Amino acid sequence: EVQLVETGGGLIQPGGSLRLSCAASGFTVSSNYMSWVRQAPGKGLEWVSVIYSGGSTYYADSVKGRFTISRDNSKNTLYLQMNSLRAEDTAVYYCASEVGERWFDPWGQGTLVTVSS
Amino acid sequence: EIVMTQSPATLSVSPGERATLSCRASQSVSSNLAWYQQKPGQAPRLLIYGASTRATGIPARFSGSGSGTEFTLTISSLQSEDFAVYYCQQYNNWPKTFGQGTKVEIK
Repeated sequence: EVQLVETGGGLIQPGGSLRLSCAASGFTVSSNYMSWVRQAPGKGLEWVSVIYSGGSTYYADSVKGRFTISRDNSKNTLYLQMNSLRAEDTAVYYCASEVGERWFDPWGQGTLVTVSS
Repeated sequence: EIVMTQSPATLSVSPGERATLSCRASQSVSSNLAWYQQKPGQAPRLLIYGASTRATGIPARFSGSGSGTEFTLTISSLQSEDFAVYYCQQYNNWPKTFGQGTKVEIK
């Protein structure tokens, strides 16, 4: 069974940093396109970043220069390093497999990041 | 970027009735559209891709149609487990974008 489990969320002050992890089982992170998608409280879904199987990375304009997506193939884990956090980054962050650069499936259960003083 | 607009924001339907949800793209996305279902406290679940292909394990009461800029998700006979928020997503252009969601609630 494919499972994605995110960890690392929490309460952080504006300007702070946080690293999210997404551990995969039944699934090889390095062989797939892996994305982070976020959802602000009571809001819709926003794509944040993707890392392709070849290693190329892309970011939404809203996080470019502040967030970095990466993976550890030996741990079969995806990461999102978030720096210079802002209140508007408050959201549940989901990792998801991007099927052939198209739709997202499956998704992890999400981890909540709250940026507040 | 392509803006996806869903309507209505909330749809009140009785169990057993038919629900029709709409999604409009600000420019053509061909058939490069997916639908997701999200229940409270849960991650989104893929329902439909390619505008009309059901994902693995999705019941036949869910159907998708449309192309270009106008799309529809139809739930033929609502079951209790179908009350949720539904999102459309285009993958024709970068960046991938989602609609704001339609909440299907019990009437």
